[in-house]
Amino acid sequence: ETGVTQTPRHLVMGMTNKKSLKCEQHLGHNAMYWYKQSAKKPLELMFVYSLEERVENNSVPSRFSPECPNSSHLFLHLHTLQPEDSALYLCASSQEAAAYEQYFGPGTRLTVT
Amino acid sequence: AQTVTQSQPEMSVQEAETVTLSCTYDTSESDYYLFWYKQPPSRQMILVIRQEAYKQQNATENRFSVNFQKAAKSFSLKISDSQLGDAAMYFCAYIGMRRSGSGNTPLVFGKGTRLSVIA
Repeated sequence: ETGVTQTPRHLVMGMTNKKSLKCEQHLGHNAMYWYKQSAKKPLELMFVYSLEERVENNSVPSRFSPECPNSSHLFLHLHTLQPEDSALYLCASSQEAAAYEQYFGPGTRLTVT
Repeated sequence: AQTVTQSQPEMSVQEAETVTLSCTYDTSESDYYLFWYKQPPSRQMILVIRQEAYKQQNATENRFSVNFQKAAKSFSLKISDSQLGDAAMYFCAYIGMRRSGSGNTPLVFGKGTRLSVIA
């Protein structure tokens, strides 16, 4: 595997379910990001991790819980989501020293029913 | 706060022709980077081209070039000799130079322009 991978690619969950999205980067980067992409809206940055520490949290509801166990892996734990949370969730990574260029994964298409 | 505006939700171009996608941004910073990202139907976002604000010369990557007008805060993307594989969503993005003492800064994206290429 190369670049940034995400699993699953598609996820359908009920509002009472608990699920997790996984992101893995094979680029040797030490910063990772979660973005939410909704139709007809700009990408919204959700979380930033640098050297496994969360450095930014853009007022994301607590029903989204990130976890970064090491510099190569990033998770987004989901619980009691709302239908408006349905979106494409993109993971990205970058090298700390070159933070201006981010590499994206293919995304997880999440549908909340 | 920085904002990025892409005023063309959709564009189309004939194969082998040239198309220009518009992007304007608003910032009070003097040092920053601008990017164009491409997101094909397969959804993997990939970097097409980037421009450092301190460079006056417009960036070029093969058939892709930009027209960077710093005073006007405009950053358009020109695609020459358009190919079917160029069909995708194109996002303009901005990032300020890293704040002193802080970590990575976030990218600010526009809403995107969907480009169709007609055979």
